[in-house]
Amino acid sequence: QVQLVQSGAEVKKPGASVKVSCKASNYTFTSYGISWVRQAPGQGLEWMGWISAYNGHTNYAQKIQGRVTMTTDTSTRTAYMELRSLRSDDTAVYYCARGAWGGRSWRNDYWGQGTPVIVSS
Amino acid sequence: SDELIQPPSVSVSPGQTASITCSGDKLDHKYTCWYQQKPGQSPVLVIYEDTERPSGIPERFSGSKSGNTATLSISGTQAMDEADYFCQAWDSSAGVFGTGTKVTVL
Repeated sequence: QVQLVQSGAEVKKPGASVKVSCKASNYTFTSYGISWVRQAPGQGLEWMGWISAYNGHTNYAQKIQGRVTMTTDTSTRTAYMELRSLRSDDTAVYYCARGAWGGRSWRNDYWGQGTPVIVSS
Repeated sequence: SDELIQPPSVSVSPGQTASITCSGDKLDHKYTCWYQQKPGQSPVLVIYEDTERPSGIPERFSGSKSGNTATLSISGTQAMDEADYFCQAWDSSAGVFGTGTKVTVL
């Protein structure tokens, strides 16, 4: 079955960077996209952006544009999300999710287990 | 505005129907997904393209849309359906989530 396995929890100081990985298996990696979504403690889901694993095209949420970079490595079937200049309000669980085109719209049909990122001095 | 507004909470008795709404500007021109999230777990897709149900999702979950409001309905609600539910709409490869609704099965 489709699996997305994310890297482990991170603790970072304000101003630092974090890079979270998401390794995909059991599907054709380049036929789908990867979305990144975060959830602050006790809060809702926040869409961060999306990358096509086919051609590397990206689309980032305006709120974090300039601080985020999403990439993929097709040789290892792994997606990465790097967030820079971390602030305390970046503390959240970060999820990757497979982006599938259903013929009329996108959907995130499989999700990773989540990576907690804590930003604290 | 890209905001998708959901009621913060919905309560339902076991066996009854729970309805969760998701309202937003221009939603009539977009397709909506719905996700279920239980505490400590990753979200699960339960509806996509307004009305489609992924394989493995029980038939009691259904979606509909009228104008700028999408609705997730859970018929014959069971205790296991108690969770947070989020809508999502896509616009030019950007996906916006709704504010989320906590469903409580009393």
